[in-house]
Amino acid sequence: DTEVTQTPKHLVMGMTNKKSLKCEQHMGHRAMYWYKQKAKKPPELMFVYSYEKLSINESVPSRFSPECPNSSLLNLHLHALQPEDSALYLCASSQVQRVEKLFFGSGTQLSVL
Amino acid sequence: KNEVEQSPQNLTAQEGEFITINCSYSVGISALHWLQQHPGGGIVSLFMLSSGKKKHGRLIATINIQEKHSSLHITASHPRDSAVYICAVKVGETSGSRLTFGEGTQLTVNP
Repeated sequence: DTEVTQTPKHLVMGMTNKKSLKCEQHMGHRAMYWYKQKAKKPPELMFVYSYEKLSINESVPSRFSPECPNSSLLNLHLHALQPEDSALYLCASSQVQRVEKLFFGSGTQLSVL
Repeated sequence: KNEVEQSPQNLTAQEGEFITINCSYSVGISALHWLQQHPGGGIVSLFMLSSGKKKHGRLIATINIQEKHSSLHITASHPRDSAVYICAVKVGETSGSRLTFGEGTQLTVNP
């Protein structure tokens, strides 16, 4: 199984809603990542988890709250988002050391109204 | 100036043509990735290079560490190769992979 599965594929939410994005992989990868991608722009790193511990937070606003409950799952909790947070949110995973390849999910297209 | 620069930004080719996409970077790196993104979002990792050359099917990637330059070549291009190709570099040897991305090259291959 070489897949990173993200749900939901599409999400529309209001600025007062609370929602969560989910990411799952069963490749035994112990590094997992959240990226944000605006249209026609490259992905921007948000968070990195290494061995289920948050190792990188790229100064992301607190309305985005990541969680790694176990080595296969990564969540991104969303609360009080702004319309400018509308984007494609991509999850990825890899080995922690000697990274040969990143495996990406197909993303969640988020629209904040 | 971006740390990672790709050229061209857009590329249109006819089916069967040989294609080259270039990536230059201005920092010392430990690895360089070539990624492919199709419309709809999915990103596929094509290659990770730290030196030399790698080949997979019709794709060839090369890197020159001294010149801080990498190229991605596609031989016998096909319409299904149409996608955005992104170069990304890893700086340092931190665990996990903090990548700096280029802006991408939009490739369109016409039948």
